[in-house]
Amino acid sequence: EVQLVESGGGLVQPGGSLRLSCAASGFTFSTYWMHWVRQAPGKGLEWVSRIRSDGSTTTYAASVKGRFTISRDNAKNTLYLQMNSLRAEETAVYYCARERLTIIQGVTSIWLDPWGQGTLVTVSS
Amino acid sequence: SYELTQPPSVSVSPGQTASITCSGNELGNKYACWYQQKPGQSPVLVIYEDNNRPSGIPERFSGSKSGNTATLTISGTQAMDEADYYCQAWDRNSYVVFGGGTKLTVL
Repeated sequence: EVQLVESGGGLVQPGGSLRLSCAASGFTFSTYWMHWVRQAPGKGLEWVSRIRSDGSTTTYAASVKGRFTISRDNAKNTLYLQMNSLRAEETAVYYCARERLTIIQGVTSIWLDPWGQGTLVTVSS
Repeated sequence: SYELTQPPSVSVSPGQTASITCSGNELGNKYACWYQQKPGQSPVLVIYEDNNRPSGIPERFSGSKSGNTATLTISGTQAMDEADYYCQAWDRNSYVVFGGGTKLTVL
């Protein structure tokens, strides 16, 4: 069974740091691009970051660029998100998700499947 | 940045057909997918590549696209389909983009 399990969430003060982990199982982790997506309480989904299967390429939402770092350890089948300079408005459930991609007649289609259960990050003093 | 627009809410009677739209500039030249999210749960993919249904998703879920508007259709809607639904597309500048979400109420 394909499974993603996040951990590392918790309460952190504004300006603080936290590292999230996402343990993958049931598939060949090292061959898939992976993502982080967050959801503030009562709000919609917000894409955060993406990393290439070998870790060589990373992209970030403008809102987190320069403060968050996505990484992975393919030997441990684990995805990470290092979050620095956290803000109160970044209180959210953080999900990791596996990317699926196809290119049809030159058009890229990307969707996320499956998603982990999420880990709650609360930024508050 | 690229944006996708969904109606905040849609209501449907049990057994009827629910339609949730998602519009975006040049969406006709992109692929859309749809996620279902029930309270307290993670999102689940229900449609990808505009109109493909993953294994395990009931046949009553279907997707279509006309021009720059993608539509998720739920035929014979059941009470268990009550959830938030999000569309998503890939934009080469904005990367993964989600619509604002639509709350489907079955009443």
